[in-house]
Amino acid sequence: GAGVSQSPRYKVAKRGQDVALRCDPISGHVSLFWYQQALGQGPEFLTYFQNEAQLDKSGLPSDRFFAERPEGSVSTLKIQRTQQEDSAVYLCASSMGAASWRNEQFFGPGTRLTVL
Amino acid sequence: AQSVSQHNHHVILSEAASLELGCNYSYGGTVNLFWYVQYPGQHLQLLLKYFSGDPLVKGIKGFEAEFIKSKFSFNLRKPSVQWSDTAEYFCAVNARGGGFKTIFGAGTRLFVKA
Repeated sequence: GAGVSQSPRYKVAKRGQDVALRCDPISGHVSLFWYQQALGQGPEFLTYFQNEAQLDKSGLPSDRFFAERPEGSVSTLKIQRTQQEDSAVYLCASSMGAASWRNEQFFGPGTRLTVL
Repeated sequence: AQSVSQHNHHVILSEAASLELGCNYSYGGTVNLFWYVQYPGQHLQLLLKYFSGDPLVKGIKGFEAEFIKSKFSFNLRKPSVQWSDTAEYFCAVNARGGGFKTIFGAGTRLFVKA
Protein backbone atom coordinates (compact mmCIF):
# COMPACT_ATOMS: atom_id res chain seq x y z
CA GLY A 1 0.00 0.00 0.00
CA ALA A 2 0.94 3.62 -0.27
CA GLY A 3 0.88 4.48 3.42
CA VAL A 4 1.82 3.13 6.82
CA SER A 5 -0.53 0.42 7.98
CA GLN A 6 -1.05 -0.96 11.46
CA SER A 7 -2.89 -3.99 12.76
CA PRO A 8 -5.02 -4.67 14.57
CA ARG A 9 -6.82 -1.33 14.60
CA TYR A 10 -8.46 -2.15 17.93
CA LYS A 11 -7.35 -4.53 20.62
CA VAL A 12 -9.02 -5.35 23.90
CA ALA A 13 -6.92 -7.27 26.39
CA LYS A 14 -7.50 -8.52 29.89
CA ARG A 15 -5.01 -7.32 32.44
CA GLY A 16 -2.02 -9.61 32.45
CA GLN A 17 -2.33 -10.71 28.82
CA ASP A 18 0.45 -10.23 26.29
CA VAL A 19 -0.29 -8.28 23.10
CA ALA A 20 1.56 -7.78 19.82
CA LEU A 21 0.98 -4.78 17.60
CA ARG A 22 2.16 -4.74 14.00
CA CYS A 23 3.39 -1.91 11.81
CA ASP A 24 3.98 -2.04 8.06
CA PRO A 25 5.96 1.07 7.10
CA ILE A 26 6.09 2.63 3.67
CA SER A 27 8.24 0.44 1.46
CA GLY A 28 11.87 1.53 1.44
CA HIS A 29 11.60 3.78 4.47
CA VAL A 30 14.70 3.49 6.60
CA SER A 31 13.40 5.01 9.82
CA LEU A 32 10.57 3.65 11.95
CA PHE A 33 9.14 5.12 15.14
CA TRP A 34 6.66 3.94 17.75
CA TYR A 35 4.65 6.39 19.82
CA GLN A 36 2.12 6.02 22.62
CA GLN A 37 -0.79 8.46 22.69
CA ALA A 38 -2.89 8.57 25.83
CA LEU A 39 -6.36 10.10 25.75
CA GLY A 40 -6.18 13.88 25.44
CA GLN A 41 -2.42 13.92 25.00
CA GLY A 42 0.01 14.19 22.14
CA PRO A 43 2.05 11.23 20.91
CA GLU A 44 4.93 10.24 23.20
CA PHE A 45 8.05 8.72 21.72
CA LEU A 46 8.71 5.08 22.58
CA THR A 47 11.45 3.81 20.30
CA TYR A 48 13.27 4.31 17.01
CA PHE A 49 14.66 1.91 14.41
CA GLN A 50 17.05 2.63 11.60
CA ASN A 51 16.59 -0.37 9.34
CA GLU A 52 16.80 -3.35 11.72
CA ALA A 53 18.84 -1.55 14.36
CA GLN A 54 17.01 -0.21 17.41
CA LEU A 55 18.97 2.97 17.99
CA ASP A 56 16.84 4.53 20.70
CA LYS A 57 14.53 2.78 23.14
CA SER A 58 14.65 5.41 25.83
CA GLY A 59 10.91 6.04 25.69
CA LEU A 60 9.80 2.48 26.47
CA PRO A 61 8.03 2.86 29.83
CA SER A 62 9.06 -0.47 31.33
CA ASP A 63 10.74 -3.76 30.53
CA ARG A 64 7.30 -5.14 29.69
CA PHE A 65 7.56 -3.24 26.38
CA PHE A 66 9.64 -4.72 23.61
CA ALA A 67 9.94 -3.79 19.94
CA GLU A 68 11.64 -5.44 17.02
CA ARG A 69 12.17 -4.94 13.30
CA PRO A 70 14.19 -8.02 12.36
CA GLU A 71 14.39 -7.52 8.59
CA GLY A 72 14.30 -3.76 8.50
CA SER A 73 10.73 -3.49 7.30
CA VAL A 74 7.77 -4.71 9.39
CA SER A 75 7.96 -3.93 13.09
CA THR A 76 6.20 -5.43 16.08
CA LEU A 77 5.62 -3.77 19.44
CA LYS A 78 5.00 -6.33 22.15
CA ILE A 79 3.60 -5.56 25.57
CA GLN A 80 3.81 -8.30 28.18
CA ARG A 81 1.53 -8.62 31.19
CA THR A 82 -0.59 -5.65 30.14
CA GLN A 83 -1.74 -3.18 32.78
CA GLN A 84 -4.62 -0.71 32.69
CA GLU A 85 -2.20 2.18 32.32
CA ASP A 86 -1.08 0.69 29.01
CA SER A 87 -4.44 1.63 27.48
CA ALA A 88 -3.67 4.11 24.72
CA VAL A 89 -3.37 4.49 20.97
CA TYR A 90 -0.07 3.15 19.68
CA LEU A 91 1.15 4.98 16.61
CA CYS A 92 3.77 3.89 14.15
CA ALA A 93 5.52 6.32 11.81
CA SER A 94 8.15 5.89 9.13
CA SER A 95 10.41 8.26 7.27
CA MET A 96 12.57 7.93 4.22
CA GLY A 97 16.02 8.81 5.45
CA ALA A 98 18.23 7.89 8.32
CA ALA A 99 18.67 11.44 9.63
CA SER A 100 15.33 11.36 11.33
CA TRP A 101 15.08 14.94 12.39
CA ARG A 102 15.19 16.26 8.86
CA ASN A 103 12.65 13.92 7.39
CA GLU A 104 8.90 14.06 7.46
CA GLN A 105 7.35 11.25 9.47
CA PHE A 106 4.37 9.47 7.90
CA PHE A 107 1.98 8.12 10.48
CA GLY A 108 -0.21 5.06 10.47
CA PRO A 109 -3.81 4.97 11.75
CA GLY A 110 -2.77 3.60 15.13
CA THR A 111 -3.87 0.65 17.23
CA ARG A 112 -6.23 1.49 20.06
CA LEU A 113 -5.41 -0.79 22.99
CA THR A 114 -7.86 -1.11 25.84
CA VAL A 115 -6.81 -3.11 28.87
CA LEU A 116 -9.68 -4.23 31.09
CA ALA B 1 14.43 18.05 29.06
CA GLN B 2 12.55 19.28 26.06
CA SER B 3 8.87 20.09 26.36
CA VAL B 4 6.18 21.62 24.18
CA SER B 5 3.26 23.65 25.47
CA GLN B 6 0.13 24.38 23.48
CA HIS B 7 -1.91 27.07 25.14
CA ASN B 8 -5.39 26.22 24.00
CA HIS B 9 -6.86 22.76 24.23
CA HIS B 10 -10.11 23.67 22.47
CA VAL B 11 -10.84 26.48 20.04
CA ILE B 12 -14.18 27.23 18.39
CA LEU B 13 -14.33 29.66 15.47
CA SER B 14 -16.80 30.66 12.82
CA GLU B 15 -15.88 30.29 9.16
CA ALA B 16 -13.77 33.16 7.82
CA ALA B 17 -12.41 34.00 11.29
CA SER B 18 -8.65 34.26 11.71
CA LEU B 19 -6.79 31.55 13.58
CA GLU B 20 -3.73 31.64 15.77
CA LEU B 21 -2.70 28.60 17.81
CA GLY B 22 0.06 29.12 20.32
CA CYS B 23 3.05 26.82 20.76
CA ASN B 24 6.01 27.31 23.07
CA TYR B 25 8.88 24.93 23.58
CA SER B 26 11.64 24.63 26.10
CA TYR B 27 15.08 23.73 24.83
CA GLY B 28 18.21 25.84 24.83
CA GLY B 29 19.80 24.55 21.65
CA THR B 30 18.94 24.45 17.97
CA VAL B 31 15.58 22.92 17.22
CA ASN B 32 13.47 21.76 14.33
CA LEU B 33 9.80 22.63 14.61
CA PHE B 34 6.69 21.03 13.16
CA TRP B 35 2.95 21.36 13.08
CA TYR B 36 0.98 18.18 12.46
CA VAL B 37 -2.76 17.96 11.85
CA GLN B 38 -5.20 15.12 12.38
CA TYR B 39 -8.51 15.48 10.55
CA PRO B 40 -11.44 13.45 11.89
CA GLY B 41 -10.95 9.79 11.04
CA GLN B 42 -7.59 10.37 9.39
CA HIS B 43 -3.93 9.86 10.22
CA LEU B 44 -1.61 12.48 11.64
CA GLN B 45 -0.04 14.38 8.77
CA LEU B 46 2.55 17.10 8.45
CA LEU B 47 1.19 20.62 8.00
CA LEU B 48 4.50 22.50 7.93
CA LYS B 49 8.04 22.41 9.27
CA TYR B 50 10.88 24.75 10.12
CA PHE B 51 14.53 23.74 9.99
CA SER B 52 16.40 26.97 9.21
CA GLY B 53 16.24 30.16 7.15
CA ASP B 54 13.16 32.35 6.84
CA PRO B 55 11.34 32.13 10.18
CA LEU B 56 8.00 32.51 8.46
CA VAL B 57 7.07 29.13 7.10
CA LYS B 58 4.20 28.42 4.75
CA GLY B 59 2.46 25.07 4.73
CA ILE B 60 -0.44 23.36 3.05
CA LYS B 61 -3.99 24.69 2.90
CA GLY B 62 -3.03 28.30 3.58
CA PHE B 63 -1.45 27.71 6.97
CA GLU B 64 1.72 29.47 8.09
CA ALA B 65 3.81 29.55 11.23
CA GLU B 66 6.37 31.97 12.58
CA PHE B 67 9.43 30.92 14.54
CA ILE B 68 10.39 33.54 17.13
CA LYS B 69 13.59 32.32 18.70
CA SER B 70 13.65 34.90 21.50
CA LYS B 71 10.20 33.79 22.62
CA PHE B 72 10.74 30.06 22.04
CA SER B 73 7.52 30.14 20.05
CA PHE B 74 6.20 28.65 16.83
CA ASN B 75 2.61 29.84 16.50
CA LEU B 76 0.34 28.57 13.74
CA ARG B 77 -1.82 31.03 11.81
CA LYS B 78 -4.42 31.09 9.08
CA PRO B 79 -6.13 34.32 7.98
CA SER B 80 -9.51 32.78 7.22
CA VAL B 81 -10.55 29.33 8.43
CA GLN B 82 -12.94 26.99 6.68
CA TRP B 83 -15.25 24.32 8.05
CA SER B 84 -12.84 21.74 6.61
CA ASP B 85 -10.10 22.97 8.96
CA THR B 86 -11.89 21.28 11.85
CA ALA B 87 -9.18 18.99 13.23
CA GLU B 88 -6.69 18.48 16.02
CA TYR B 89 -3.39 20.33 15.67
CA PHE B 90 -0.13 19.24 17.28
CA CYS B 91 3.03 21.27 17.63
CA ALA B 92 6.24 19.22 17.80
CA VAL B 93 9.95 19.80 18.25
CA ASN B 94 13.15 17.85 17.99
CA ALA B 95 16.61 18.95 18.87
CA ARG B 96 19.40 18.83 16.36
CA GLY B 97 21.97 16.46 17.62
CA GLY B 98 19.59 15.46 20.37
CA GLY B 99 18.82 11.99 19.21
CA PHE B 100 15.71 10.72 17.56
CA LYS B 101 12.95 11.92 19.82
CA THR B 102 10.29 14.24 18.52
CA ILE B 103 8.37 15.83 21.40
CA PHE B 104 4.71 16.63 20.78
CA GLY B 105 2.43 19.06 22.54
CA ALA B 106 -0.90 17.92 23.94
CA GLY B 107 -2.78 19.19 20.89
CA THR B 108 -5.45 21.80 20.18
CA ARG B 109 -8.88 20.74 18.98
CA LEU B 110 -10.24 23.26 16.51
CA PHE B 111 -13.92 23.29 15.63
CA VAL B 112 -15.03 25.59 12.83
CA LYS B 113 -18.73 26.41 12.69
CA ALA B 114 -20.20 26.59 9.19
